[in-house]
Amino acid sequence: RKEVEQDPGPFNVPEGATVAFNCTYSNSASQSFFWYRQDCRKEPKLLMSVYSSGNEDGRFTAQLNRASQYISLLIRDSKLSDSATYLCVVNWNTGNQFYFGTGTSLTVIP
Amino acid sequence: DTAVSQTPKYLVTQMGNDKSIKCEQNLGHDTMYWYKQDSKKFLKIMFSYNNKELIINETVPNRFSPKSPDKAHLNLHINSLELGDSAVYFCASSHRDRGRETQYFGPGTRLLVL
Repeated sequence: RKEVEQDPGPFNVPEGATVAFNCTYSNSASQSFFWYRQDCRKEPKLLMSVYSSGNEDGRFTAQLNRASQYISLLIRDSKLSDSATYLCVVNWNTGNQFYFGTGTSLTVIP
Repeated sequence: DTAVSQTPKYLVTQMGNDKSIKCEQNLGHDTMYWYKQDSKKFLKIMFSYNNKELIINETVPNRFSPKSPDKAHLNLHINSLELGDSAVYFCASSHRDRGRETQYFGPGTRLLVL
């Protein structure tokens, strides 16, 4: 079983739609959780950290469910510029080991 | 703009050659990494250094040798390049922020082995 699993998509949604991605992780001792965004032919960029109580940053909301070992990302009012691959990242906090999901591809259509 | 830089951005070379990729970060971070992203876009950790000391060394052929002359630099030397080494190589650095280690990536080096 992979350390981090994501639905690769692709998700094709119209502008203004709400879209949600889920990600599951295998190690219950995982400490930190993140969503990164990767545009085509670019490096991954930190979108947001995911905190235990859930957190929001503008149109983006991240949730963590430790009992079920999954995290989610909700994007409201999708923009064309949201089109990218979204990477779920988990840190075990031992030796600075980060595990990446394979990414979920999102295309927002005009 | 990223404060993790890599050179070169593109590298095209013949099988069997030896090449190096350089990485520098001016963020003052203690930990640096090398990742490989293959054609299926999966990001896989190769090495991690903390204050010039190797702390993660995943199952990577010993043709790959990282070198950290100081904590701001982590270079990757590859001997006897093979076709399967073609990929994008990302350098990253990290620091502890509000109790969690957070990573920042360089722009990547696109390696094509012919």
